[in-house]
Amino acid sequence: QVQLVESGGGVVQPGRSLRLSCAASGFTFNNFALHWVRQAPGKGLEWLAFLPYDEIYKYYADSVKGRFTISRDTSKNTLYLQMNSLRAEDSAVYYCARAPADMYAFDVWGRGTMVTVSS
Amino acid sequence: DFQLTQSPSFLSASVGDRVTITCRASQDISSYLAWYQQKPGKAPQLLIYAASTLQSGVPSRFSGSGSGTEFTLTISSLQPEDFATYYCQQLNSYPFGGGTKVDIK
Repeated sequence: QVQLVESGGGVVQPGRSLRLSCAASGFTFNNFALHWVRQAPGKGLEWLAFLPYDEIYKYYADSVKGRFTISRDTSKNTLYLQMNSLRAEDSAVYYCARAPADMYAFDVWGRGTMVTVSS
Repeated sequence: DFQLTQSPSFLSASVGDRVTITCRASQDISSYLAWYQQKPGKAPQLLIYAASTLQSGVPSRFSGSGSGTEFTLTISSLQPEDFATYYCQQLNSYPFGGGTKVDIK
């Protein structure tokens, strides 16, 4: 069964760091581009970061550029989002999603992990 | 700056209604557009990709059309399970539209 499962969310103080994980199963991890998307409470979807299958480059939304880093460990079939210098406005549910090269869409999503930035 | 504008933001409809949601891009994006459905507390689910291709397993009452800067998602006959929020997404730089909440009239 194709699945993505996020973990690592929680409550963190402003200015601190947190690393989210996204464990993949049921598909060949290396063959897909991967993304992080977030959704603040009661708000819409915000795309954050993109890691192509060949990892030649990484793209970030302006709102997180320089603070967040996307990476993957292919030996563990896991995607990561390292989040530094967290702000209250980073509070959201964070989703990872898979993007097949021939589809131009996010066809599989995780269930999300909640991050709350609060003192 | 690229903009993706969805309309309406909210619509009230009845079971059996034909519903149309529009997504406008501020520049030509060819057919690099997808549509998603999201229900409360759940992750988004892919409905349509490449502007008009129905994702496997999605009911045929959903359809997408358009290219360039104007796109539409149509639900031909609204079912009770279709009350949800719908988002468009551009697949060059990945922004989402603001969403359209479809509620029961």
